[in-house]
Amino acid sequence: DQQVKQNSPSLSVQEGRISILNCDYTNSMFDYFLWYKKYPAEGPTFLISISSIKDKNEDGRFTVFLNKSAKHLSLHIVPSQPGDSAVYFCAAENSNSGYALNFGKGTSLLVTP
Amino acid sequence: DAMVIQNPRYQVTQFGKPVTLSCSQTLNHNVMYWYQQKSSQAPKLLFHYYDKDFNNEADTPDNFQSRRPNTSFCFLDIRSPGLGDAAMYLCATSRDSFTDTQYFGPGTRLTVL
Repeated sequence: DQQVKQNSPSLSVQEGRISILNCDYTNSMFDYFLWYKKYPAEGPTFLISISSIKDKNEDGRFTVFLNKSAKHLSLHIVPSQPGDSAVYFCAAENSNSGYALNFGKGTSLLVTP
Repeated sequence: DAMVIQNPRYQVTQFGKPVTLSCSQTLNHNVMYWYQQKSSQAPKLLFHYYDKDFNNEADTPDNFQSRRPNTSFCFLDIRSPGLGDAAMYLCATSRDSFTDTQYFGPGTRLTVL
């Protein structure tokens, strides 16, 4: 049962524009959310995270927004660059249930020049 | 400066023939994780070690075992691989608690003939 859902398998954006990657979750007990980025032949690398006590976290070109009532989070990349082309995984955790990271299936982002 | 190393990168085994995947880390992290990621699916946590304490996810098949002989190394043993066990196996580490960033290795792609 997939508790973290990324409904868009792929997204194509022009260089310089905003990329918006979406993620929905079903478990209201999740209280920590992360985005990982994965290039081909490499493992996922941590990108940005947000605690459920916040609704926004920003790190350079990357901003994550959390809407707890809608159980939705999104990753904004502004401006998008060709090097951002990768698969982006959304993940969520419940701090009271141990160490399990629940991943979405990923969204493949292509940034075209 | 590889921090989480997985060997081999590609492993081919025969149906029912035991196989061991290896992970090592140079980060001196307390926690090590094994994830299974099947094609177009989300990474799924199989188990993790907090130091020497082993924690199995409830739905991890008995066919999967793990060993952590020291801080640096962790092994995934698949006792009798089935065709359904073909996947990418990702090792990850984190310093301590669940909110610490998980660092992933590049993965081992397992093929079962």
